[in-house]
Amino acid sequence: QKEVEQNSGPLSVPEGAIASLNCTYSDRGSQSFFWYRQYSGKSPELIMSIYSNGDKEDGRFTAQLNKASQYVSLLIRDSQPSDSATYLCAVKRGLSGGGADGLTFGKGTHLIIQP
Amino acid sequence: EPEVTQTPSHQVTQMGQEVILRCVPISNHLYFYWYRQILGQKVEFLVSFYNNEISEKSEIFDDQFSVERPDGSNFTLKIRSTKLEDSAMYFCASLKAEGNTEAFFGQGTRLTVV
Repeated sequence: QKEVEQNSGPLSVPEGAIASLNCTYSDRGSQSFFWYRQYSGKSPELIMSIYSNGDKEDGRFTAQLNKASQYVSLLIRDSQPSDSATYLCAVKRGLSGGGADGLTFGKGTHLIIQP
Repeated sequence: EPEVTQTPSHQVTQMGQEVILRCVPISNHLYFYWYRQILGQKVEFLVSFYNNEISEKSEIFDDQFSVERPDGSNFTLKIRSTKLEDSAMYFCASLKAEGNTEAFFGQGTRLTVV
């Protein structure tokens, strides 16, 4: 059974601070890792993808992957009120995000950025 | 910017009725997916579709579900005899090809079974 675990929150962070979101996964065969943002009642929107151990930075977002620990994280620097949303961690077995494999999602962490 | 479109945005149906949810994936994409999200729960994979056949399906995707690409543009999810527990948001997604990273999600169809 493939599981992705996240702290549901809410995680409350002051505006301008760093928000740190964490995720663990059970399937050691997972090779592709994603962070999605979901506003209430809306569809998931891809924020970051990461495939190899280490850090990957894109603007204010940094994804971190540690396959040995089966751990993925997302850092959001200079948090803005518009970052308030639920952040979903998702994993899949397929390489490079493509292919037949579906995504396995965590329940998400509800992030609140306080002005 | 190209997007995945889903219709209808909200569907209300009586228990036991058949429903068809429709999706138009991005035109040059090859892989198509259906996911569902029960209110307050996680997004769950239902099925993937490639080259006019099912590639992978989850335990949720039982005999009451079917998918079809009836023409070159539409991708449909049929639920044969709806149950109360089928009430959820249903998301369609598409992916261009192997080696691409981003699966684009449609805005979803909220299915309410009464």
